[in-house]
Amino acid sequence: DTGVSQDPRHKITKRGQNVTFRCDPISEHNRLYWYRQTLGQGPEFLTYFQNEAQLEKSRLLSDRFSAERPKGSFSTLEIQRTEQGDSAMYLCASSLDSFMYGYTFGSGTRLTVV
Amino acid sequence: DQQVKQNSPSLSVQEGRISILNCDYTNSMFDYFLWYKKYPAEGPTFLISISSIKDKNEDGRFTVFLNKSAKHLSLHIVPSQPGDSAVYFCAASAFISNFGNEKLTFGTGTRLTIIP
Repeated sequence: DTGVSQDPRHKITKRGQNVTFRCDPISEHNRLYWYRQTLGQGPEFLTYFQNEAQLEKSRLLSDRFSAERPKGSFSTLEIQRTEQGDSAMYLCASSLDSFMYGYTFGSGTRLTVV
Repeated sequence: DQQVKQNSPSLSVQEGRISILNCDYTNSMFDYFLWYKKYPAEGPTFLISISSIKDKNEDGRFTVFLNKSAKHLSLHIVPSQPGDSAVYFCAASAFISNFGNEKLTFGTGTRLTIIP
């Protein structure tokens, strides 16, 4: 098991384009989280899945953002009609049962919108 | 509204000495706290956590102290080693008080540099 994998590592896109990121959690982990981190800030919660169910979604997540976790395995995060303010590091994390022993984060996908 | 604050953006400590990283929070509903460490180009790595029913938790060189009345926690690293140089994030959750809320609220981080 190589931990939480995120793909791609880097993405440069033009404003207005759609982008999709993928996260493969640790295989036995039933919880999956998406966070966003901008320069000089800590990670900000976006959304959380338990198995395939999306249980919580941040108010930060506009209608342009959607996340899925089909079959409770990998997850995708899609951003439609990207804006320059979407430029950030998008972090995925997973945990077994509860975060109380810490999430395991992936290395993130860095999005740059030009 | 920054509910978790790390007021020191950076800290330099001599190797072998104690590193103390501080974190303050404003939301009285927070009842579970974690520290993460982040190296460049990697995701944050979990270090240590503490529940609000405790005031101290220790794991090897790392100890976290919680002062609920002051809404303050600190991470002590003793002795500090060069490999400890990283950005440290404090995080909090209203887990117990909010029916298992899994959301973590992070501070802005403190960059720790250990001087050999």
